[in-house]
Amino acid sequence: AQSVAQPEDQVNVAEGNPLTVKCTYSVSGNPYLFWYVQYPNRGLQFLLKYITGDNLVKGSYGFEAEFNKSQTSFHLKKPSALVSDSALYFCAVRDIGTDKLIFGTGTRLQVFP
Amino acid sequence: GAVVSQHPSWVICKSGTSVKIECRSLDFQATTMFWYRQFPKQSLMLMATSNEGSKATYEQGVEKDKFLINHASLTLSTLTVTSAHPEDSSFYICSARGPEQGAYEQYFGPGTRLTVT
Repeated sequence: AQSVAQPEDQVNVAEGNPLTVKCTYSVSGNPYLFWYVQYPNRGLQFLLKYITGDNLVKGSYGFEAEFNKSQTSFHLKKPSALVSDSALYFCAVRDIGTDKLIFGTGTRLQVFP
Repeated sequence: GAVVSQHPSWVICKSGTSVKIECRSLDFQATTMFWYRQFPKQSLMLMATSNEGSKATYEQGVEKDKFLINHASLTLSTLTVTSAHPEDSSFYICSARGPEQGAYEQYFGPGTRLTVT
């Protein structure tokens, strides 16, 4: 079965510093991976996806993610964090067999001024 | 493009009553819609998948008689929580996907917070 794991419940970073939100995956076959962000009392906003191609995927709001097949990881990164980046971040994988999105448990990013 | 709306954004109802939540794709035809439930500080749990014109497919453990899903048109799906109880209080999120979006992306609505008193 496909799954994703987000090992950190919360990540704290100072504004202006680089940030990384970790995600590892377990799939059979080629993974279709996604990152979403959720602000309080809001739905999910799509940030970026990896289907195939370059391992470094660029997305919205200056975020990027690096697909690493050998480490089965898809970490979300940003070179310089903003206070407004504070939110809940979800990694997801598309289950090829069922065509469903399977979400990780989420990581709360807190950016301090 | 690819905007999904939900109505209402929040609702309070009394125990035993039913409440309907609407999910609309505003600028694309949503052949498939998904309904999720999110408890505080937890991830999204898929409740059901609905294809336009077909009966919804419910995930294991989700009561289909309690959570009625209708996907009667390519732009509208509804979730009705019947005989609501306080334990049904949650954040309900829909997402939609259409042929223009391909098979890879879902677009999410802003969510509906249901509180049952």
